[in-house]
Amino acid sequence: AQKITQTQPGMFVQEKEAVTLDCTYDTSDPSYGLFWYKQPSSGEMIFLIYQGSYDQQNATEGRYSLNFQKARKSANLVISASQLGDSAMYFCAMREGANSSASKIIFGSGTRLSIRP
Amino acid sequence: GAGVSQSPSNKVTEKGKDVELRCDPISGHTALYWYRQSLGQGLEFLIYFQGNSAPDKSGLPSDRFSAERTGGSVSTLTIQRTQQEDSAVYLCASSLGFGGGETQYFGPGTRLLVL
Repeated sequence: AQKITQTQPGMFVQEKEAVTLDCTYDTSDPSYGLFWYKQPSSGEMIFLIYQGSYDQQNATEGRYSLNFQKARKSANLVISASQLGDSAMYFCAMREGANSSASKIIFGSGTRLSIRP
Repeated sequence: GAGVSQSPSNKVTEKGKDVELRCDPISGHTALYWYRQSLGQGLEFLIYFQGNSAPDKSGLPSDRFSAERTGGSVSTLTIQRTQQEDSAVYLCASSLGFGGGETQYFGPGTRLLVL
């Protein structure tokens, strides 16, 4: 069975500092994909970044990067130079079968990030 | 439309009543997902439709919950004999259906309150 674990229910970070949001996962499928989403107080879900299990390099998208440690089954999100607008809930998600459309995507419980000015 | 739409945006109902929630995915998207999000919580997977394949219903919490997708487009999530614990935001998402790292596009959600 799939499982996504986010152990940090809430975090406070000073503006302009980097922040790491933890995510660990459990799967027996060698092929899988990992996602991070942002959910501001408005409630919309915003896709941030994706990492495939066979990708050779860690994914990066602007200020977002994914610290993918396959052996440890962790996929931490790193946000560099945090901004006030980064305050939101952040969800880690996984799909088994990275190149398959047959599998559902499941989400972790989320981390609420608050950026202090 | 340009994005995923859901209706109604808010629904208040009495315990024991049936409710229907609607999702209009992005045109051409063959994959459609329903999730439930309780206040301050994560997204709980409910059901997944992919093209003409049998839907993955493994997340439906009870037989009071059902969903269908007609013509490969619009989907309706039905909750029968609603209970107070059904109160949540119900989110729908769609994607192209190729799998992999394709982006899910989420609708604004339906806020359900069962009194």
